[in-house]
Amino acid sequence: SYELTQPPSISVSPGQTASIACSGDKLGDKFVCWYQQKPGQSPVIVIYQDDKRPSGIPERFSGSNSGNTATLTISGTQPMDEADYFCQAWDTRLGVFGGGTKLTVL
Amino acid sequence: EVLLVESGGGLVQPGGSLRLSCVASGFTFDEYGMDWVRQAPGKGLEWVSGIDWKSDYIGYADSVKGRFTISRDNAKNSLYLQMSSLRADDTAFYYCAKYTRRLYYDSSGYRDYWGQGTLVTVSS
Repeated sequence: SYELTQPPSISVSPGQTASIACSGDKLGDKFVCWYQQKPGQSPVIVIYQDDKRPSGIPERFSGSNSGNTATLTISGTQPMDEADYFCQAWDTRLGVFGGGTKLTVL
Repeated sequence: EVLLVESGGGLVQPGGSLRLSCVASGFTFDEYGMDWVRQAPGKGLEWVSGIDWKSDYIGYADSVKGRFTISRDNAKNSLYLQMSSLRADDTAFYYCAKYTRRLYYDSSGYRDYWGQGTLVTVSS
């Protein structure tokens, strides 16, 4: 079965850039979404189709996908961005999530 | 306002069955794919099952295939997940989610609305 791998955690200082990687075999051939989840809340989409932002998502969120790695980048990270982030792709009609990355802003 | 309200969770013994429901409002339910995503306490998200707008295409994660059945009733704006042969590792919050496309697996889309989740606990 298809697998997506993310680092369990990363930390960044406020105002700095956070980059979260998501790796999978030939992931660049698929579209990737990114979901943000804060404690006690349901997930929220932040990036879809690799690099598109839904309405209401700040411009500091961006995405890319090439080769075997998709990346979520948060520029000028703010304390409110502290959350778990999950990448997601489709593999022959089956949904696959990465294990999630806990972003700490300190 | 789009709302997705799940119900039906609870405590069930191993080997038992449970039926989850998700009632949708605030959008034209029969125009969108839907799916179920679960999250064990303190763990990550796991896709469980998806269904397209007309119930023509359905998919299941390997971990639940043969034990869970997804269905929808467009006349009632409702999504269901019938769960049987439940195991301890099925313990999780179960979220229903609306997709932005008619086909739940259309990779150009995404889940734009999620319910609040309903907790299923499988334990003796």
